[in-house]
Amino acid sequence: ETGVTQTPRHLVMGMTNKKSLKCEQHLGHNAMYWYKQSAKKPLELMFVYNFKEQTENNSVPSRFSPECPNSSHLFLHLHTLQPEDSALYLCASSQKEGDSYEQYFGPGTRLTVT
Amino acid sequence: AQSVAQPEDQVNVAEGNPLTVKCTYSVSGNPYLFWYVQYPNRGLQFLLKYITGDNLVKGSYGFEAEFNKSQTSFHLKKPSALVSDSALYFCAVRDLAGSYQLTFGKGTKLSVIP
Repeated sequence: ETGVTQTPRHLVMGMTNKKSLKCEQHLGHNAMYWYKQSAKKPLELMFVYNFKEQTENNSVPSRFSPECPNSSHLFLHLHTLQPEDSALYLCASSQKEGDSYEQYFGPGTRLTVT
Repeated sequence: AQSVAQPEDQVNVAEGNPLTVKCTYSVSGNPYLFWYVQYPNRGLQFLLKYITGDNLVKGSYGFEAEFNKSQTSFHLKKPSALVSDSALYFCAVRDLAGSYQLTFGKGTKLSVIP
């Protein structure tokens, strides 16, 4: 599980705060993903980066802003979040986007918006 | 559009008994199918995948899954359950005729009773 790391593991923020989530993969992969996991709901894909280019944005509100400076690092910048944004945010990576490649997940950041 | 269903929110099984976690899918083309497991406070871990070939796929920790095209199912199985298998299990599908995205089911909580 050390192949994909995420920091912080827990985050509590107010609705007016700005914070960032960080993800780093040590697997030599070229695709990285952000997912939102809420209780009793399927994983929601938020963003996909393939070779540092954003290839998917699943109608995510603009208060979530991703950044991928290189193939190993992925950030999710947060600002003016709502309480319903409280969830586990998972980062994943795969060799490339799509095809038969499985994704490898980090441990997640548990976000609470107060 | 691709979709996946896990009809059981929870499965209880006695230690040593065989276990089955059910998954059915819907795609317009041919599917790639995946199973992941999530332990408490951890990210998802890849267990196994079906791409093509033999319908019976073997994966990590003694798990296997059988691809059944006529029933559009990909049930996860293990001959003898361990208490340590207790976790949340997710089935996922990618439609080769559709998007690169993985679509996940809502998850099935497996409890193995000593």
